[in-house]
Amino acid sequence: QVRLKESGPRLVQPSQTLSVTCTVSGFSVTSYHVSWVRQPPGKGLEWVGAIWKGGSTDYNSALKSRLSISRDTSKNQVFLKMNSLQTDDTGTYYCAKHNNYYWYFDFWGPGTMVTVSS
Amino acid sequence: DIQMTQSPASLSASPEEIVTITCQASQDIGNWLAWYQQKPGKSPQLLIYSATSLADGIPSRFSGSRSGTQYSLKISRLQVEDTGIYYCLQRYSNPPTFGGGTKLELK
Repeated sequence: QVRLKESGPRLVQPSQTLSVTCTVSGFSVTSYHVSWVRQPPGKGLEWVGAIWKGGSTDYNSALKSRLSISRDTSKNQVFLKMNSLQTDDTGTYYCAKHNNYYWYFDFWGPGTMVTVSS
Repeated sequence: DIQMTQSPASLSASPEEIVTITCQASQDIGNWLAWYQQKPGKSPQLLIYSATSLADGIPSRFSGSRSGTQYSLKISRLQVEDTGIYYCLQRYSNPPTFGGGTKLELK
């Protein structure tokens, strides 16, 4: 059974670094791409970046200078790190598995809500 | 970045009605478009991929179509459980971009 679960801090201070972990089961991160998508409260969805099954990464150009996505294949985990956080980085952060046939996200984690505030 | 302009922003309809939501791409994206449904407090769920293909387990009352750079999601025989926010997503080029969302309420 495919599952993804995000974990991370609920509150981060401005200018600090956010670290979120996506722990997956039911598939291997070396066989499927995994993306991060975020959603500010009451607003729409924004693709943050991805780690492809081969290990390379792509980032949203608007966030690229602050982002790092990596993985631990032995633990089947994907990591998101975003530095220099501002209040508009507040939102729910989702990790999502891609479908190998049609690319789009077919399974999502429940998301983790992150508030950037002092 | 490719802009996806979604309309309407919200709509209200009665059960058994037919509703259509559209996304206009700022440039040609071929069939590289998907539709998602997000219910309150939940993660998005894939409805349609490649503009017209129904995702696994999705009722056949959902359908997708394309006319040039305009994409449509049609929901026939609206059900109470179809309440939620619908988003389109293009993946023709990086970054993948979502439409602004359409909030569907049932009367």
